[in-house]
Amino acid sequence: DAKTTQPNSMESNEEEPVHLPCNHSTISGTDYIHWYRQLPSQGPEYVIHGLTSNVNNRMASLAIAEDRKSSTLILHRATLRDAAVYYCILIDNYGQNFVFGPGTRLSVLP
Amino acid sequence: DGGITQSPKYLFRKEGQNVTLSCEQNLNHDAMYWYRQDPGQGLRLIYYSQIVNDFQKGDIAEGYSVSREKKESFPLTVTSAQKNPTAFYLCASLPGRWGNQPQHFGDGTRLSIL
Repeated sequence: DAKTTQPNSMESNEEEPVHLPCNHSTISGTDYIHWYRQLPSQGPEYVIHGLTSNVNNRMASLAIAEDRKSSTLILHRATLRDAAVYYCILIDNYGQNFVFGPGTRLSVLP
Repeated sequence: DGGITQSPKYLFRKEGQNVTLSCEQNLNHDAMYWYRQDPGQGLRLIYYSQIVNDFQKGDIAEGYSVSREKKESFPLTVTSAQKNPTAFYLCASLPGRWGNQPQHFGDGTRLSIL
C-alpha cells in the first residue's frame, strides 16, 4: 500500500524560505501529489498540487523528484500566517484513492 | 461566495443515539467526501460519493452511514455502533471524478460524547 511520511515539526524564521519534505516511495504513476495546510479548528486549505513537473503558484512552489518518490513544498518567504500543519496527500487520477501524510507542524518565529 | 457549509459547528451525542452532520456545497461539484480527524492526527476517509445516489466506503466506514440524494448535499450519520465518535469531522468536495483538482473543505463539525 502507498504511504507518505513527513517530519512531525519544523521551525523557520520569518521572511526566510522553508522547505517541507514528503516521502512517498510507493507512489503509483497516476497519483497526484497534493499539499494542504490546516489551522486549528479549521478545514484544510489547498496549497498546491502536481504530477511530475515542478509547479509554482502564488502561495508556494512544489518540487517533485525525478523518480517521484519524494517532493518538497517550498514557501519562499515564511510569514507568521504560514504557521500551520502541512499535509502531503496522494490522490489517484480518479479521485478514489487517497493516501494521507501525518502532517508537519510548521512554526514561524518572528 | 461558493463554498462548503458544515453544520452544526459543535455537536454532542448521548450514548445509544444517532446524530447527523450536515454538509452542503454550492460549488456544483460532483464528488463529496467525509473525513475524520482525531486530536493531533491527520485525516482519515470515512465515505465518499462521486455521483448522486452512489457512495463508497473509505478506510473507516464502520459505524457511519451516508446518503447522496442531491448533488449539493452529503449528510453523515454517526450511529450508535460507532463506539468512539469523539472527533473533528470534515466534509470536502472535488469538481469531478479526477484527482487533478484541488479539494475544497468545510470548516468542520466537532462531535463530543455527553
